[in-house]
Amino acid sequence: GQQLNQSPQSMFIQEGEDVSMNCTSSSIFNTWLWYKQDPGEGPVLLIALYKAGELTSNGRLTAQFGITRKDSFLNISASIPSDVGIYFCAGYNSGGSNYKLTFGKGTLLTVNP
Amino acid sequence: DTAVSQTPKYLVTQMGNDKSIKCEQNLGHDTMYWYKQDSKKFLKIMFSYNNKELIINETVPNRFSPKSPDKAHLNLHINSLELGDSAVYFCASSPGAGQPQHFGDGTRLSIL
Repeated sequence: GQQLNQSPQSMFIQEGEDVSMNCTSSSIFNTWLWYKQDPGEGPVLLIALYKAGELTSNGRLTAQFGITRKDSFLNISASIPSDVGIYFCAGYNSGGSNYKLTFGKGTLLTVNP
Repeated sequence: DTAVSQTPKYLVTQMGNDKSIKCEQNLGHDTMYWYKQDSKKFLKIMFSYNNKELIINETVPNRFSPKSPDKAHLNLHINSLELGDSAVYFCASSPGAGQPQHFGDGTRLSIL
């Protein structure tokens, strides 16, 4: 089935630094979603992207739907300790079912105060 | 106000037992899902339901039987539990197909 390649797998940064992570696929996606998961909790939706080229912000977070529709990135500016967690990209594949959300393997972010 | 709620949060049981996990959403969504998250945190879809009807069964063993009594509830019953069933199970819902999904806080299943 379709896969999402998410990178990096983990990041260890200092508080105040900017962070960038991305997801790529060999398939075209209709929708890209970015989630954050804290320990012991479920994934929480951060940003949803619906159109190629779309750039959307949510506070210090900015995400873009790639022009080719095969990739997306998430940037976090001026990181703070509570940004720690696992970030997942996810998407609905244009050639697949709109009832099946495919997830990347996650980026584990650690922020050093 | 919890949007997607699952019970129990923790489930510890012995191999061979049968157990159920309940899920309810108060978002008015039409579509509900079950996911399995393994020890490496990989999230994999198990089932998708739309308006109580099964849409996707992602090659899940038939020991797993979802049931949707109404569109606000999607329960998961597991027969003859095996060691490999140990994982975190997440329920989610969305307004409809192709829409962002909202997740519950998970049920941590441990098989002894």
